Amino acid sequence: QVQLVQSGAEVKKPGASVKVSCKASGYIFPAYAIHWVRQAPGQRLEWMGWIIAGNGNTKYSQNFQGRVTITRDPSASTAYMELTSLRSEDTAVFYCARSVVPSSPAYSYYGIDVWGQGTTVTVSS
Amino acid sequence: DIQMTQSPSSLSAYVGDRVSITCRASQSIGNYLNWYQQKPGKAPKFLIFAASSLQSGVPSRFSGSGSGTDFTLTISSLQPEDFATYSCQQSYSPPYTFGQGTKLEIK
Repeated sequence: QVQLVQSGAEVKKPGASVKVSCKASGYIFPAYAIHWVRQAPGQRLEWMGWIIAGNGNTKYSQNFQGRVTITRDPSASTAYMELTSLRSEDTAVFYCARSVVPSSPAYSYYGIDVWGQGTTVTVSS
Repeated sequence: DIQMTQSPSSLSAYVGDRVSITCRASQSIGNYLNWYQQKPGKAPKFLIFAASSLQSGVPSRFSGSGSGTDFTLTISSLQPEDFATYSCQQSYSPPYTFGQGTKLEIK
């Protein structure tokens, strides 16, 4: 079955970086995009960015510009999200999730259909 | 950025009730509106895309409507497993913003 399996929970100090992995199975990895979504405790879901698994093109939310990098390894059907300069407000669950490739020019798409189980990142001194 | 606002933020209802949740976008997004269900400690579950299309495997008691800026999620007859938080999301243009969520609780 189609699934995304994420790496385990992380505890980091302020100013550090974290890199979360997302391994895809059950579908053709290059044919889709992978999104990353943050959910802080009690807060709404917040889109961080996506990568087109086929060609590696990325798009990021300005809210994370300069701090987030999304990459992928097609040979391992795995996507990665690295967030730098961590602060306490980054304490959250991070999800990877799949969609069809957003279509230009507006980069629209119809929904995120498969989600990883989430990775909890705790930022604390 | 496109702002997504849901109402109500919370809702109490009985099993068997019909309930509706609304979602408003700050600008027109056509039909690029999706709905998700989320239970505590779990990842979101995809319910509806293109404002009114039911994702495969989602019970027919769920339905969506709307276009442009105003959208509605309706559950025709609440079941015990439907008590959860529901979020809308625009997928028209990045950043793909979500609503603040509507928590549906058992009365």
